[in-house]
Amino acid sequence: QSALTQPASVSGSPGQSITISCTGTSSDIGGYNYVSWYQQHPGKAPKLMIYEVSNRPSGVPDRFSGSKSGNTASLTISGLQAEDEADYYCSSYTSTSTLGVFGTGTKVTVL
Amino acid sequence: QVQLVQSGAEVKKPGASVKVSCKASGYTFTDYYIHWVRQAPGQGLEWVGWINPNSGKTNFAQKFQGRVTMTRDTSISTAYMDLSRLRSDDTAVYYCARELRWLQLDYWGQGTLVTVSS
Repeated sequence: QSALTQPASVSGSPGQSITISCTGTSSDIGGYNYVSWYQQHPGKAPKLMIYEVSNRPSGVPDRFSGSKSGNTASLTISGLQAEDEADYYCSSYTSTSTLGVFGTGTKVTVL
Repeated sequence: QVQLVQSGAEVKKPGASVKVSCKASGYTFTDYYIHWVRQAPGQGLEWVGWINPNSGKTNFAQKFQGRVTMTRDTSISTAYMDLSRLRSDDTAVYYCARELRWLQLDYWGQGTLVTVSS
């Protein structure tokens, strides 16, 4: 199962908005609304930020939002803050495996 | 509050086996699947497999078939992952995580570093 494709890095200044893309196929992102996003700070476990494309778990700031168009999902961080500097991974249900598939990961840098 | 607490770091020699535990609290253990995900140093996330704590049914990524076993002890709300015939490229942090639904993971353990070195 091939990984979902994410940009290696994205950067922005505090207060700006950035968007991370996650590209798959019609067998995963394009076919199902079971896309999730995870934030991982260095040396820490991943944290669920978005599930089912656009839903935020309790406690996740509303500056994090998710969307999907065709085979590409996106995570937008509005009003970027220093604490948002981390690695971000997307994930999707896929019809080609009994397990999900993760994205390649994106390092977000706050300038 | 939901918590998953994993066992401590391990150092193993090539060819050995390792067993990592994941103790759940704050919810009904048998109501949610437990997944195992690993992350090699400096690399991304990789699915190892999952266990249904209610039935004990398991499912593994093809690359781990024959080397991984997942079990659970419902009396102590603990899941286990056993990986055998360890190789140097099995060196990674192994995470357990609870599945919210449809392979989306809402709570994660703190991770267990497994180092394979001669």
